[in-house]
Amino acid sequence: DGGITQSPKYLFRKEGQNVTLSCEQNLNHDAMYWYRQDPGQGLRLIYYSQIVNDFQKGDIAEGYSVSREKKESFPLTVTSAQKNPTAFYLCASSIERATGELFFGEGSRLTVL
Amino acid sequence: SQQGEEDPQALSIQEGENATMNCSYKTSINNLQWYRQNSGRGLVHLILIRSNEREKHSGRLRVTLDTSKKSSSLLITASRAADTASYFCATDPSWSNMLTFGGGTRLMVKP
Repeated sequence: DGGITQSPKYLFRKEGQNVTLSCEQNLNHDAMYWYRQDPGQGLRLIYYSQIVNDFQKGDIAEGYSVSREKKESFPLTVTSAQKNPTAFYLCASSIERATGELFFGEGSRLTVL
Repeated sequence: SQQGEEDPQALSIQEGENATMNCSYKTSINNLQWYRQNSGRGLVHLILIRSNEREKHSGRLRVTLDTSKKSSSLLITASRAADTASYFCATDPSWSNMLTFGGGTRLMVKP
């Protein structure tokens, strides 16, 4: 079945450590996105990529980094520079400029100890 | 900043009743979408309405869009306990898929 796989589902990090969240899709979608969701709130865009080897900052990119070396993969690194990283992270993909619909993974919950 | 603002923030109804959620936004859009999120899960796309459409139906869902008032509503008819979830509106200014999400409405449907 086609879809988006995020891992790990739960992750704990000590302050000062970098962590990488994985996002893989087998939908053959061109565009991929990372969103952050804080408790009881909506989603805020961190980074997005519309094509391999290219990505752009979203609204809250500070303290995060991404790469897009393969069409299927869009990992997100939460660096030690991110002041408040505890949140729920959602990866999504879409057919670029087509239906407008985003397909989401099941999310990764990061907790800083 | 968030483009959409949902109202109410939380809604509790009995099974069989209708649930109405509203979304207001600030800038012009090309389309508006509604998504559903079960607790601790990813979002699922429900319906998309284009800026030149006023109403759209999908099963028990009815979405309206008033671009003059910059507002949309989502109606779920004959609600079920399984409809319990958070519902988010998202706006797209230019068919770029660069969606801006509102804060969501938490719906609880009591059996």
